[in-house]
Amino acid sequence: GAGVSQSPRYKVAKRGQDVALRCDPISGHVSLFWYQQALGQGPEFLTYFQNEAQLDKSGLPSDRFFAERPEGSVSTLKIQRTQQEDSAVYLCASSLGQISSEKLFFGSGTQLSVL
Amino acid sequence: LAKTTQPISMDSYEGQEVNITCSHNNIATNDYITWYQQFPSQGPRFIIQGYKTKVTNEVASLFIPADRKSSTLSLPRVSLSDTAVYYCLVGETGNTGKLIFGQGTTLQV
Repeated sequence: GAGVSQSPRYKVAKRGQDVALRCDPISGHVSLFWYQQALGQGPEFLTYFQNEAQLDKSGLPSDRFFAERPEGSVSTLKIQRTQQEDSAVYLCASSLGQISSEKLFFGSGTQLSVL
Repeated sequence: LAKTTQPISMDSYEGQEVNITCSHNNIATNDYITWYQQFPSQGPRFIIQGYKTKVTNEVASLFIPADRKSSTLSLPRVSLSDTAVYYCLVGETGNTGKLIFGQGTTLQV
C-alpha cells in the first residue's frame, strides 16, 4: 500500500532500555510529524521535519527523546533509558506540502509498553 | 494557535444524523478548520476541512457560521462503523508545523 508505515507495531521494553521506532512516510511527502498519544487522550505533538530539517522539536518531553530523518524520507524516533511514563502510542504522520493546512496521513502507530 | 472546545462524548442510534459542534472563539482571520476521525488502534484520518460557510464531501458536511467562532461537523445517517473519536483542529493557513489535537469527541453509535 501507499500509506504511512510504522514499525514495530508493538514494542515492550524494560525500564532503562533504549528503543527505536521507525516511520516510512508516503513517498514524496515533504513534511513528517511525530505525535505521542496516551490512553484516552488526543495525540500530542512531539516534533516536525520538513525534508531532512527538524524545524520544530518543542514537543519532545525530555532530552531522552531524539528524532532524525537524515535523507528526508524515513524517520526514526529514539527514546533512551525508557521510563514507565513513556508508555504510549507513537504516531507518525506525513503531508505532501509544508503548510499546516495540508491533509495529514497517519500511520497506525507503535504501541510502546515500558515495564 | 486557536484553542478548540468540543463535547467529550455523544451517543446516537443507527440511521440518525449526528452534529458535533466545536467552539473556537479566538480563531484568527487566516485560520482554517479541520476535522479528523480516529478508530481504536488506528491513527487519525482526515474527514473534512473548511474556511467559511458550508463544505460537503462524500463523508460529512461542515457548517461554519459567519463569525467563524464555532463549526459543526454533520454526519448523515450514522452506522455502527461511525463509532470513533472526532477531533476538531484550527490552524493557520500557510503556517509551517504542527497541528494541535484536543481531547476529541467520542461518538458511540
